[in-house]
Amino acid sequence: NAGVTQTPKFRILKIGQSMTLQCTQDMNHNYMYWYRQDPGMGLKLIYYSVGAGITDKGEVPNGYNVSRSTTEDFPLRLELAAPSQTSVYFCASSSIAGQTGELFFGEGSRLTVL
Amino acid sequence: EDKVVQSPLSLVVHEGDTVTLNCSYEVTNFRSLLWYKQEKKAPTFLFMLTSSGIEKKSGRLSSILDKKELFSILNITATQTGDSAVYLCAVEDNGGSQGNLIFGKGTKLSVKP
Repeated sequence: NAGVTQTPKFRILKIGQSMTLQCTQDMNHNYMYWYRQDPGMGLKLIYYSVGAGITDKGEVPNGYNVSRSTTEDFPLRLELAAPSQTSVYFCASSSIAGQTGELFFGEGSRLTVL
Repeated sequence: EDKVVQSPLSLVVHEGDTVTLNCSYEVTNFRSLLWYKQEKKAPTFLFMLTSSGIEKKSGRLSSILDKKELFSILNITATQTGDSAVYLCAVEDNGGSQGNLIFGKGTKLSVKP
């Protein structure tokens, strides 16, 4: 069972570069999320989606963009990378309508911006 | 501002010990409290608690919620080295963004042989 798959697992970017973190899930979940986790800190919600074609900002959306053209895919785009975006990024999905309930997480993408 | 505070931030015990991890919260409209275990990679779900006083159990792990005092505890009995991980507490705010879990910083548990 694949679950939630994120790529790449590691990436180093230079300031000002752009990149896309890919996330796909095979559980037919409507709800998908992007979190970032800084060292010694809890996870912070960047963007979320309640279904194909619908996205919304979370707690820390600045510097990021998302799209949700299909149920399976929820890519996260960084347009102009900054050192403050150095973090571990987790994509997650859930099936329970109306509440978060149990989230299924991908294995994370470690991004370093130099 | 909504917040979730976990204590202790780190803990070192020996195999066989019993540990209690704490999570206190302040949110505007509480919906649920969740515990996750994070080893090297992705957090994995342990429990979701919505009602006070009802203990959830899974093997050697158990958790309970007190909505009056705004806290939850996670107990692990007869700890094993495989329990070593960061344990995350998260609270869902009913009035917040759909799916916005407010996470604590986590408790790093190290179990020595």
